[in-house]
Amino acid sequence: KAGVTQTPRYLIKTRGQQVTLSCSPISGHRSVSWYQQTPGQGLQFLFEYFSETQRNKGNFPGRFSGRQFSNSRSEMNVSTLELGDSALYLCASSLVGSGPETQYFGPGTRLLVL
Amino acid sequence: AQTVTQSQPEMSVQEAETVTLSCTYDTSENNYYLFWYKQPPSRQMILVIRQEAYKQQNATENRFSVNFQKAAKSFSLKISDSQLGDTAMYFCAFSDNTNAGKSTFGDGTTLTVKP
Repeated sequence: KAGVTQTPRYLIKTRGQQVTLSCSPISGHRSVSWYQQTPGQGLQFLFEYFSETQRNKGNFPGRFSGRQFSNSRSEMNVSTLELGDSALYLCASSLVGSGPETQYFGPGTRLLVL
Repeated sequence: AQTVTQSQPEMSVQEAETVTLSCTYDTSENNYYLFWYKQPPSRQMILVIRQEAYKQQNATENRFSVNFQKAAKSFSLKISDSQLGDTAMYFCAFSDNTNAGKSTFGDGTTLTVKP
């Protein structure tokens, strides 16, 4: 089975621009979560989507948004980029049965904001 | 709120030796999973091992095993016969029923395996 894929792998943007990142989950996985990883803040949860609905959200400003499509693929958008948005953005997918979930991660998208 | 604490920011071990990474967590839930993830320099987050809280038996995966002490809320990772390819950052993580799609991570331990 193919793993979680993320595109693009690397991205350079300038302040004020917007960016869209894409994530395709493992086949059969219906939940997609997004995390931001920075050296200073570690791994921080952005949001999670299941059945095209946002079920959970972390403590990030409204500039960060996402959506999920009917095939479970997800996109994350960041508008009005700031220097502090430079980070590794990780996507994770899980099956979503009952109970706790095991997440499998993609390779990440490295975003650099200049 | 659930928290995960890794008290060892950095560790090193000689190749072929054994090393143990520590993790403690805090939760009031009974149904949860604990994980160790490995993140090598490529930055790919790889699942190393999973422990279901309802299982008393410690999980093992080849050279990787855990010591799960539920009452003490402790979850350590033992790597036996360390290999150069084990050099990576290791994250302890937690998942339960109450936070859909969210795993809570520790700050990580950077492990260096020396030849």
